[in-house]
Amino acid sequence: GQQVQQSPASLVLQEGENAELQCNFSSTATRLQWFYQRPGGSLVSLLSNPSGTKHTGRLTSTTVTKERRGSLHISSSQITDSGTYLCAMDTGYQNFYFGKGTSLTVIP
Amino acid sequence: EAAVTQSPRNKVAVTGGKVTLSCNQTNNHNNMYWYRQDTGHGLRLIHYSYGAGSTEKGDIPDGYKASRPSQENFSLILELATPSQTSVYFCASAGYEQYFGPGTRLTVL
Repeated sequence: GQQVQQSPASLVLQEGENAELQCNFSSTATRLQWFYQRPGGSLVSLLSNPSGTKHTGRLTSTTVTKERRGSLHISSSQITDSGTYLCAMDTGYQNFYFGKGTSLTVIP
Repeated sequence: EAAVTQSPRNKVAVTGGKVTLSCNQTNNHNNMYWYRQDTGHGLRLIHYSYGAGSTEKGDIPDGYKASRPSQENFSLILELATPSQTSVYFCASAGYEQYFGPGTRLTVL
């Protein structure tokens, strides 16, 4: 079946450092969508990116569909960025497959 | 802002009992989804729907049924609940992007 691999599984940063989260997928994707989830919380959509680079606030998403990879860059991390970041690939027809996530902890 | 609601938010059920989880969306999206989320497994797709009257099996449909009586409503039904179905269940709808409900925490004793 479809597979989405995220790395690293967990990451600890000091406040102000940058984070780079990776997403690799096993088959053709029409786009990647990145989500944020607090412990015990729901998923909040961050960015949806079919290809190339997209920015919103301190987030930058890069998707290279031909190479079956994507990334999410978080600049100047803040304590409130702590949580889990999930990558989902859309194979077309809006069928989404999720990675297991990267757990980010930002410390003072 | 897209809106997806779920009820109940928390549910305790007994083994062998019937459980119905409900989802409502006001986005007028055709596609709706049911996932479960478990530690170590991430989000797994149970059932999905392309519109009213349609239901499709996802990756882990065994033990679950789905119903889509209208554009707005999508239900997940556990006819005979088992402890292995203890989990957090998320409903989502999708236009171009997916939007998630707040989740339902189900415990089957």
